[in-house]
Amino acid sequence: ETGVTQTPRHLVMGMTNKKSLKCEQHLGHNAMYWYKQSAKKPLELMFVYSLEERVENNSVPSRFSPECPNSSHLFLHLHTLQPEDSALYLCASSQTSGSVDTQYFGPGTRLTVL
Amino acid sequence: GQNIDQPTEMTATEGAIVQINCTYQTSGFNGLFWYQQHAGEAPTFLSYNVLDGLEEKGRFSSFLSRSKGYSYLLLKELQMKDSASYLCAVMDSNYQLIWGAGTKLIIKP
Repeated sequence: ETGVTQTPRHLVMGMTNKKSLKCEQHLGHNAMYWYKQSAKKPLELMFVYSLEERVENNSVPSRFSPECPNSSHLFLHLHTLQPEDSALYLCASSQTSGSVDTQYFGPGTRLTVL
Repeated sequence: GQNIDQPTEMTATEGAIVQINCTYQTSGFNGLFWYQQHAGEAPTFLSYNVLDGLEEKGRFSSFLSRSKGYSYLLLKELQMKDSASYLCAVMDSNYQLIWGAGTKLIIKP
């Protein structure tokens, strides 16, 4: 399936680097999400965008900066990360964000911070 | 606080039946989702329950009891490709998904 794509699939970066994760959805949805998935832990919601407006920011450190230029694209800009930020970063989309809608996920970016 | 509990790991035999349980305590309830996630891949939607009872979809069935804060996913005629993690998630009163840590299912020949 290619409904939600993410690039890169793997990323290794140093603590002083700046990098960006990209997500694109081809489902015509209006809401997009960033999640963090760490081993043996529940998915953590980081950011929610609805119609390109940020509607949720779950107390995420400022070293993570989201950007949603249009309803099909979502970015996560990373700078001065810490080793504990190493995780799988998942993007998802749904028709809307304020009602019962199924979220569809991309394959994730496996991030390693050295 | 909000909490979703599910077993960390389960093992079953090919061709058998397995039941993965999920209990929850959340602020409001707008339905319960089950997702399947193969290693290194995207979580994929399996089922959604909002009313009590059993929903059957091929080899997979999902059950919900709202009064008990309990759900299970039932997998029949297990195949090797069913080896994956199964994620339980509840949509709360703010329409946010609250996730369990997932159950890793290992299928043995």
